[in-house]
Amino acid sequence: DAKTTQPNSMESNEEEPVHLPCNHSTISGTDYIHWYRQLPSQGPEYVIHGLTSNVNNRMASLAIAEDRKSSTLILHRATLRDAAVYYCILSNYGQNFVFGPGTRLSVLP
Amino acid sequence: ETGVTQSPTHLIKTRGQQVTLRCSSQSGHNTVSWYQQALGQGPQFIFQYYREEENGRGNFPPRFSGLQFPNYSSELNVNALELDDSALYLCASSAGLTTSTDTQYFGPGTRLTVL
Repeated sequence: DAKTTQPNSMESNEEEPVHLPCNHSTISGTDYIHWYRQLPSQGPEYVIHGLTSNVNNRMASLAIAEDRKSSTLILHRATLRDAAVYYCILSNYGQNFVFGPGTRLSVLP
Repeated sequence: ETGVTQSPTHLIKTRGQQVTLRCSSQSGHNTVSWYQQALGQGPQFIFQYYREEENGRGNFPPRFSGLQFPNYSSELNVNALELDDSALYLCASSAGLTTSTDTQYFGPGTRLTVL
């Protein structure tokens, strides 16, 4: 079973910021938080990952709660191309990815 | 850039048949993982190969088997196909063994339909 819970779907307007939440209340101290997304008719693609500190890259930002029991993926300016299913995954050394159903993000023009 | 390719794109088989799906990983990636994705669900881990040895398996029966070759290609074989095997099959390659920090690069998948 997935160790994370996410809303089934979210909606955003184009060019507005999007905050995608993820709860992982049973996270261990060495679990990394990964985000992948799956565009229609494609395989998942890496977005970002982190352990404790907030992380930024060219695609998004990852905000991790101080107690690490939740995190938020932030898309600073949503585009139509960002419409996808977003997966929040916990992973540790020697463990394989366990995907949940993810959050389906719709971006409205 | 993924650089991971899969073939064929689509495949139709009948119940009881056998199928082989192929994946070409990024050069230099020693780890390949295979996933099954049913419609509307997240990918489910089937197994992982590292340097041609199986290195972890999900909750899938033995009729799901795999091979990894030195040239960064791999295969997923499924025997005695069942209707529930209809799904998108994804392979993902990564440079190392740990999913803690290694990025997995996914291919576009093979859509298998079992009639």
